[in-house]
Amino acid sequence: SQKIEQNSEALNIQEGKTATLTCNYTNYSPAYLQWYRQDPGRGPVFLLLIRENEKEKRKERLKVTFDTTLKQSLFHITASQPADSATYLCALGQAGTALIFGKGTTLSVSS
Amino acid sequence: NAGVTQTPKFRILKIGQSMTLQCAQDMNHNYMYWYRQDPGMGLKLIYYSVGAGITDKGEVPNGYNVSRSTTEDFPLRLELAAPSQTSVYFCASLGRSNTGELFFGEGSRLTVL
Repeated sequence: SQKIEQNSEALNIQEGKTATLTCNYTNYSPAYLQWYRQDPGRGPVFLLLIRENEKEKRKERLKVTFDTTLKQSLFHITASQPADSATYLCALGQAGTALIFGKGTTLSVSS
Repeated sequence: NAGVTQTPKFRILKIGQSMTLQCAQDMNHNYMYWYRQDPGMGLKLIYYSVGAGITDKGEVPNGYNVSRSTTEDFPLRLELAAPSQTSVYFCASLGRSNTGELFFGEGSRLTVL
């Protein structure tokens, strides 16, 4: 069965450093991959989408890479700030099907 | 623009009781979804709908029912509540942009005792 793994449940970094979160998947060929941010007690909020034919996508301090050979996406937050502390969810999708979500990685940025 | 609105935000049920979680969106989206989120388990799809009058099962549909009589509303019905249904429930709708962005509600936290 299809499986998504986000490499760690928790990641702690210092303010100003780059946070790197990993999403690996097996038994699936996604047409695209999305990243969401979820704050405690709130619903997930969409951040970025990257398609299978794209290697990298950027949005402000965020960068996402997608390697379909390694079946892996990396999510980077540069110059991290305490306000970036949240849980980040990886989600895979194909046309006409619902998204499949990973369990999330909780990022804590200390000042 | 309210987006996706869920009610109630919190509810405690006794085993065997029934209830309906309400979800409404004002963005005229056709696709709507119900997910449940358990600690450390990620989001699991319960039911989804591709438009008014059309619904289909997701990964974990047992113990739930849905209806979609209008584009705006997608209620989730729990019949004979069980402790295993203690969870946070999220409703979402699919945006029309080419990003495939899901818009989520704020969630409904349900406890079954």
